[in-house]
Amino acid sequence: QQQVKQSPQSLIVQKGGISIINCAYENTAFDYFPWYQQFPGKGPALLIAIRPDVSEKKEGRFTISFNKSAKQFSLHIMDSQPGDSATYFCAASRDGGNQFYFGTGTSLTVIP
Amino acid sequence: ETGVTQTPRHLVMGMTNKKSLKCEQHLGHNAMYWYKQSAKKPLELMFVYNFKEQTENNSVPSRFSPECPNSSHLFLHLHTLQPEDSALYLCASSQSVSTDTQYFGPGTRLTVL
Repeated sequence: QQQVKQSPQSLIVQKGGISIINCAYENTAFDYFPWYQQFPGKGPALLIAIRPDVSEKKEGRFTISFNKSAKQFSLHIMDSQPGDSATYFCAASRDGGNQFYFGTGTSLTVIP
Repeated sequence: ETGVTQTPRHLVMGMTNKKSLKCEQHLGHNAMYWYKQSAKKPLELMFVYNFKEQTENNSVPSRFSPECPNSSHLFLHLHTLQPEDSALYLCASSQSVSTDTQYFGPGTRLTVL
């Protein structure tokens, strides 16, 4: 059973546009939700993370929106740039746990 | 060298071969992980080590054998693999086994013929 469901599988956005990637989870015990960014030939790297005590977190052009009642969270990339082209993974874990549950990834392409 | 390094970066092996993947972290972390990454699938956690002790084995077949001689090094010994084991194998480390940020290496691209 997949703990975290991610969509879309791939996304093409014009330069300057907004990229939106969505994730949903089932386990209400999850309390930490990171997003990882992976470039070809590289391992995933932490991009931004949120805990359920806030509904939004912003770091530069990247924003996480969190909806606890819907058990959903999303990544918004404002003013998308070609350098943002990468695969993005959402994940979830619970305090005291030793495991992250990852989504299937979204391949983002930003065209000039 | 900084961060998490993995060798080799690419490996092609036959089903009867024995090979090992190596991971080294230069971050002073106490926890290390092996993940399997296959196309269109979530990252699959394989093994977790905390202070050199294995704390998690997610029903991984015995043809994969991990070894953690110290907190900085992690190995994955491979033998009699199957073609479906072809994937990117990622090593990661974190300060502790919890929700601490995990730092990933670049991975080893494994092809089993």
